Amino acid sequence: GQQLNQSPQSMFIQEGEDVSMNCTSSSIFNTWLWYKQDPGEGPVLLIALYKAGELTSNGRLTAQFGITRKDSFLNISASIPSDVGIYFCAGQGAGNMLTFGGGTRLMVKP
Amino acid sequence: EAQVTQNPRYLITVTGKKLTVTCSQNMNHEYMSWYRQDPGLGLRQIYYSMNVEVTDKGDVPEGYKVSRKEKRNFPLILESPSPNQTSLYFCASSLWRGTDTQYFGPGTRLTVL
Repeated sequence: GQQLNQSPQSMFIQEGEDVSMNCTSSSIFNTWLWYKQDPGEGPVLLIALYKAGELTSNGRLTAQFGITRKDSFLNISASIPSDVGIYFCAGQGAGNMLTFGGGTRLMVKP
Repeated sequence: EAQVTQNPRYLITVTGKKLTVTCSQNMNHEYMSWYRQDPGLGLRQIYYSMNVEVTDKGDVPEGYKVSRKEKRNFPLILESPSPNQTSLYFCASSLWRGTDTQYFGPGTRLTVL
């Protein structure tokens, strides 16, 4: 099936620092999604992107849908301890199936 | 309260013993889906359903069955579980399609010995 490469796999940063993570695909997606998963919980949708080139913000989070439609990035500005968790990208191609990246584990040092 | 519920939350079983994990949502959502989560692999979609009696294979459907006889329920069936199906399973639902906001259940941790 389709594959999404998400990087980095993990990050350990100082509180207040900005964070950047990205996903690349071998095929084109029509929609990119970014989720966050807290320990012991299911993922929660953070940002949805529906158009190539689209840049969308949600508070301190900003995500972009790459022009080639094969990549997306998520930035978190001024990180705080509650940003800790696993962040997943997901893409939807021509069908209705969602493909998820392997996740980026974010750890924030107060 | 709007929610997706899964049962059981934890299950240890043996190879070959049929099991069912139930999923129910109370939001009148059309779209429901099952995922498995394994370390380093993220979530992989097993099956999804766009509506009652409409189901489609996801990325990793082998060894699983689903049914959608009612809108609110979407059980996951493992007819003959094997150790490689040991995983964390999530059910999710959304209003119309997978790219709408999906609400995830709390997860079911399955161990197959």
